[in-house]
Amino acid sequence: DAGVIQSPRHEVTEMGQEVTLRCKPISGHDYLFWYRQTMMRGLELLIYFNNNVPIDDSGMPEDRFSAKMPNASFSTLKIQPSEPRDSAVYFCASSLVDWGEQFFGPGTRLTVL
Amino acid sequence: DQQVKQNSPSLSVQEGRISILNCDYTNSMFDYFLWYKKYPAEGPTFLISISSIKDKNEDGRFTVFLNKSAKHLSLHIVPSQPGDSAVYFCAAPSPRIQGAQKLVFGQGTRLTINP
Repeated sequence: DAGVIQSPRHEVTEMGQEVTLRCKPISGHDYLFWYRQTMMRGLELLIYFNNNVPIDDSGMPEDRFSAKMPNASFSTLKIQPSEPRDSAVYFCASSLVDWGEQFFGPGTRLTVL
Repeated sequence: DQQVKQNSPSLSVQEGRISILNCDYTNSMFDYFLWYKKYPAEGPTFLISISSIKDKNEDGRFTVFLNKSAKHLSLHIVPSQPGDSAVYFCAAPSPRIQGAQKLVFGQGTRLTINP
């Protein structure tokens, strides 16, 4: 298996633009997680899905952030409009159970100018 | 509310010596703990875990110790190797609330192994 796939790996955009991050989980994993890593806050969970259904989105910072999982093999995290404070590394992870080992993708480094 | 805390942002150890990374937690309901390792430009990868019914779990050079009364766990790496240089995160599943359970991560400790 190729592992969790994220695209793009790097994204540089200007403030106010829409940003879409993409994730393909490991086949057979029922859980998909979106995390954000910053120096100040460390690794924080934004939202997670079980069988394509959002379970906990309490970590989504504000209405500018939205996430979808239209099928078991694809998820998106969208920021609209983007702001400089959104600059961070965004990770997608998938797992068989929500409490155990999660497999992380390589991350998307987002820079908002 | 930081339920899992790694108070040392960084640690530097000589190659061949023991590395000890520490983690404290506040919620006594945590019953399972995981350690992740992260290299630059990569996602975290699972390293080792421990259940609260144990106080020690060993996997090769890596051993995790759990002290439930102190709400403290530690990761020992013996002997330390240059390839161990990375950021280490401890994590624990939060208590399940309304069917939802998630991993709570510490802030991470950057380990540097000096040759």
